[in-house]
Amino acid sequence: QGQLVQSGAEVKRPGASVKISCRASGYMFTGYYLHWLRQVPGQGFEWMGWVSPNTGATDSAHNFRGRVTLTTDTSTSTASIDLSELKSDDTAVYYCARADITLLRGVFRVSGFGFGIWGQGTVVTVSS
Amino acid sequence: SYVLTQPPSVSVAPGHTASLTCGGDDIGSKSVLWYQQRPGQAPVLVVYDNGRPSRIPERFSGSNSGNTATLTISRVEAGDEADYYCQVWESSSDQYVFGTGTKVTVL
Repeated sequence: QGQLVQSGAEVKRPGASVKISCRASGYMFTGYYLHWLRQVPGQGFEWMGWVSPNTGATDSAHNFRGRVTLTTDTSTSTASIDLSELKSDDTAVYYCARADITLLRGVFRVSGFGFGIWGQGTVVTVSS
Repeated sequence: SYVLTQPPSVSVAPGHTASLTCGGDDIGSKSVLWYQQRPGQAPVLVVYDNGRPSRIPERFSGSNSGNTATLTISRVEAGDEADYYCQVWESSSDQYVFGTGTKVTVL
């Protein structure tokens, strides 16, 4: 089935960068795209981007382009997100999630339509 | 940008049926996924279009037509109390969009 385990909570100053890791186990790491999302406390979800562990290709949401770097290390089955120029409104819980759902209504989408397995979340607090 | 609207809260008695809606422009033309999130936990996928992951009970089902998608929870149990979010992949912007979430309270 698979599992995603994320790194621990972080506290950062405004302007700093944060790097969060997501270690996969129990499945073939290169077989699925991995996505990053965040949830601001008491609010909904915001999609940030995806990475292909097989090719290293990435894509990110418009709101984060230029600030986010997505990488993978196939030797350790680990994906990472690096978010720079942190602001107070980057305070959120950050999740990695596996793109399990790739075929819907007869249409195949390699980066997936949705997310079947999630990491446990990493709390990032940005405060001066 | 594409917007998905959900009612903030729904209350339901145990054993009854809960219907959670997700409104969006022509959402019936899109595939809709639903997630359950209990307090302090990561989301869990419960329905995609009208399918379910194997570990999710048959009590959870989805439907979608026109401008409204619906998650139906039959024979509601106390353990179903959680926040529920709808989600689509929006092709024109190539973005993954989530609804505002509905808190289900079991009376």
